[in-house]
This record gives sequence, structure tokens and C-alpha cells, in this order.
Amino acid sequence: DAKTTQPPSMDCAEGRAANLPCNHSTISGNEYVYWYRQIHSQGPQYIIHGLKNNETNEMASLIITEDRKSSTLILPHATLRDTAVYYCIVRVALTSNTGKLIFGQGTTLQVKP
Amino acid sequence: NAGVTQTPKFQVLKTGQSMTLQCAQDMNHEYMSWYRQDPGMGLRLIHYSVGAGITDQGEVPNGYNVSRSTTEDFPLRLLSAAPSQTSVYFCASRSGTSGQETQYFGPGTRLLVL
Repeated sequence: DAKTTQPPSMDCAEGRAANLPCNHSTISGNEYVYWYRQIHSQGPQYIIHGLKNNETNEMASLIITEDRKSSTLILPHATLRDTAVYYCIVRVALTSNTGKLIFGQGTTLQVKP
Repeated sequence: NAGVTQTPKFQVLKTGQSMTLQCAQDMNHEYMSWYRQDPGMGLRLIHYSVGAGITDQGEVPNGYNVSRSTTEDFPLRLLSAAPSQTSVYFCASRSGTSGQETQYFGPGTRLLVL
């Protein structure tokens, strides 16, 4: 299973961009990178995912390096409500049409006023 | 849509007791799964289902049973509760096309086994 490595914690000033890195050096060619976050013991919330192109949605941007061995989640204007644990996940294929998400320890992002 | 709902929110059991954690979704999702999360840890997959009548084991299935008689419901049964099963349990269902894992999670059930 492709594993991910994230820093255990990061701080960010409110209103600034938060850049959360993730290493996934053993990722295979057809595996997607997913980002979820978990706010204070709530259920995890989907943020974004990508394969090899950069992706953007209303919540965040995902930058994937050309060799796909690492990625960065960008929250463009962090707010206090973005304080959470952020999980970078590589989907593990179970069958040809489904897979599972292996959650690691994640990065605890603290947004400070 | 209510999304993914879980009941109960909290439960205290004695060792050896059995119980069922309920999970329901109203999004017509084929794929549903159960995770447990221990303090300070990430989520670990217990069981999953790719459709009604089909279930399979995840990473930590021992001590748990599941069934999927309808698309909407995916209950998790603890056969004989043990203190090691004290955890927060999350149910999730998946949307999106084949090969993608945009999952929606429920609010969780907090279980304490004494």
C-alpha cells in the first residue's frame, strides 16, 4: 500500500495561505491522492482529490508534483474554522471499481488570530 | 438530504454485552464502510460493502459483524464487547464514479466498554 508522510503539526496566521505538504513516494500510476480534514472529533470531511493535474475547488487547491511523489494542499485564506487535522490519503484499490482509504496520523493545522 | 446518520451518539457497555451501531444514508450510495478511531490516531477500516448483499473485511474486522440488506442501511454488530473496542466509530458512504473515493462521513458513535 502506498503510504503518505505528513508533518504532525503546523501553524498558520488567519487570512494567510496554509500550505500543507505530503510525501507519497511509493504511489503508483493510477492511484489518486485524497485530502480530508477532521474538525474536533467530527466525522472527516472531503476536501479535494487529484491524479496528476493540479486541482482547485471552492475549498482548496491541490498541487501535485510532476513525478507524483508529493503534493501540497493549499487553503488560500485560512480562517479559525480551518483549524483541524488534515489527512493526505492515497486510495488503495480493492477491486477494479472500488478502493479503500488508509488514514494516517495527519497534520494538525492550528490557525491563529 | 440528511446525509449519513448514526445512532446512538454515545453508548456505554459492559464487557461481554452485544450491541448494534446503526448507520443509514439517503443518498442512494452503493458503497458504505465502517471505521474506528482511537484517541490520537487516524481512522482504521473495519468492514465495507459495495452494494446490498455484499460485504467484506477491512483492516480490523475481528469482533465485528456487518450485513447489508438494503442500500440505505449498514449496521455494525459487536458480538461480545471488549474494552479494546472502546473507540469512536464512523460510518461513511461513497459518491462519485468508479475508482474514486469521495466519501461522506456520519457524526460518529462514541463507545465505552467497561
